[in-house]
Amino acid sequence: AQTVTQSQPEMSVQEAETVTLSCTYDTSENNYYLFWYKQPPSRQMILVIRQEAYKQQNATENRFSVNFQKAAKSFSLKISDSQLGDTAMYFCAFMIIQGAQKLVFGQGTRLTINP
Amino acid sequence: GAGVSQTPSNKVTEKGKYVELRCDPISGHTALYWYRQSLGQGPEFLIYFQGTGAADDSGLPNDRFFAVRPEGSVSTLKIQRTERGDSAVYLCASSPGANTGELFFGEGSRLTVL
Repeated sequence: AQTVTQSQPEMSVQEAETVTLSCTYDTSENNYYLFWYKQPPSRQMILVIRQEAYKQQNATENRFSVNFQKAAKSFSLKISDSQLGDTAMYFCAFMIIQGAQKLVFGQGTRLTINP
Repeated sequence: GAGVSQTPSNKVTEKGKYVELRCDPISGHTALYWYRQSLGQGPEFLIYFQGTGAADDSGLPNDRFFAVRPEGSVSTLKIQRTERGDSAVYLCASSPGANTGELFFGEGSRLTVL
């Protein structure tokens, strides 16, 4: 069974600072996706960034980037130049590429960006 | 539609009652998922539809929970004899197809069982 662990229940930084959210996972599979989702108070899960496990290059999306360490089964999210609108719950998630595409989520990190 | 639509947004019911939650996926998306998110937790998988059939219902907690998707579009999650422990946000997601790695979520239905 796959598990995803987020060890930081809450984080808080000042606007414009850089923040890194941690995630580790456990799997015996070799082909999978990793994701970071943002969940604002509206409850909708919004995809922030996706990483395919077979790609060595770390994914980036504007201010968001990941540090994917496959051997260590680590997948951290870095948010640069943080903005007030980044305040939300952030969930790390795992998906095996074949089959039902079930997402396995971590417990989440509540990120607060302070003005 | 433009996005995944879920109704009702909020539902309050009494213990023992029957509840239906509806999900209208993005037009053309063949895959549909239901997740349950308890307070302070990440979402947990309940059931996955590919077309009209439930391809994987391994996450349904017990036989009080049932879901249908009769025409391969709209899905209804049905909960019988609700219990206080069923209180949670129920999230629906859809995907254009298998192995795309792309799930689009709705805003969820918050169920409160008194």
